[in-house]
Amino acid sequence: DTGVSQDPRHKITKRGQNVTFRCDPISEHNRLYWYRQTLGQGPEFLTYFQNEAQLEKSRLLSDRFSAERPKGSFSTLEIQRTEQGDSAMYLCASRESRGPTDTQYFGPGTRLTVL
Amino acid sequence: AQSVTQLGSHVSVSEGALVLLRCNYSSSVPPYLFWYVQYPNQGLQLLLKYTTGATLVKGINGFEAEFKKSETSFHLTKPSAHMSDAAEYFCAVRGSSNTGKLIFGQGTTLQVKP
Repeated sequence: DTGVSQDPRHKITKRGQNVTFRCDPISEHNRLYWYRQTLGQGPEFLTYFQNEAQLEKSRLLSDRFSAERPKGSFSTLEIQRTEQGDSAMYLCASRESRGPTDTQYFGPGTRLTVL
Repeated sequence: AQSVTQLGSHVSVSEGALVLLRCNYSSSVPPYLFWYVQYPNQGLQLLLKYTTGATLVKGINGFEAEFKKSETSFHLTKPSAHMSDAAEYFCAVRGSSNTGKLIFGQGTTLQVKP
């Protein structure tokens, strides 16, 4: 399978716990995005990586959120001290580097539920 | 700033009827526009995109969309709905930064009745 993969697909946690999600992009894609989608809404941009460099972060990405992309391959998104408002679907997307109009390919998402 | 408005959070059509999903955008740069479809518990799949050139864009599964600059619209259509078209549809515009991030509308749920 050469698509974008995300792990885990579902995560249930208690308020105050830390969680970490992983995204494996399509292998030749050096651009990677994280989005958050709440129920009944469209995805909202969180952060962007070009290779291993994090080049843009949304104001939605509070201090409790941190993302990394070591070696420019897979990426992780960590949420510390989770709150109920963090419950959402977290989507990862990747694209090639020819230009900003290139198609972003999305993974299946990680659904987070904070109790 | 870029933004997208999708008129109608729910659209219901009969099988075989015309599908029309409305999208209006606001963009401070030449707009690059996208339609994505999302099936339950799945990620987003690109239906079609407009970057430059021909304003009528054809996509997968028989969908097409027309870019109308004067109306700042990019409505999605399909001549004949199939039951398998039932899903959530998102219109998106490229953000103004050079990262290529997407700004999405709130989505339209398409219901297809037999």
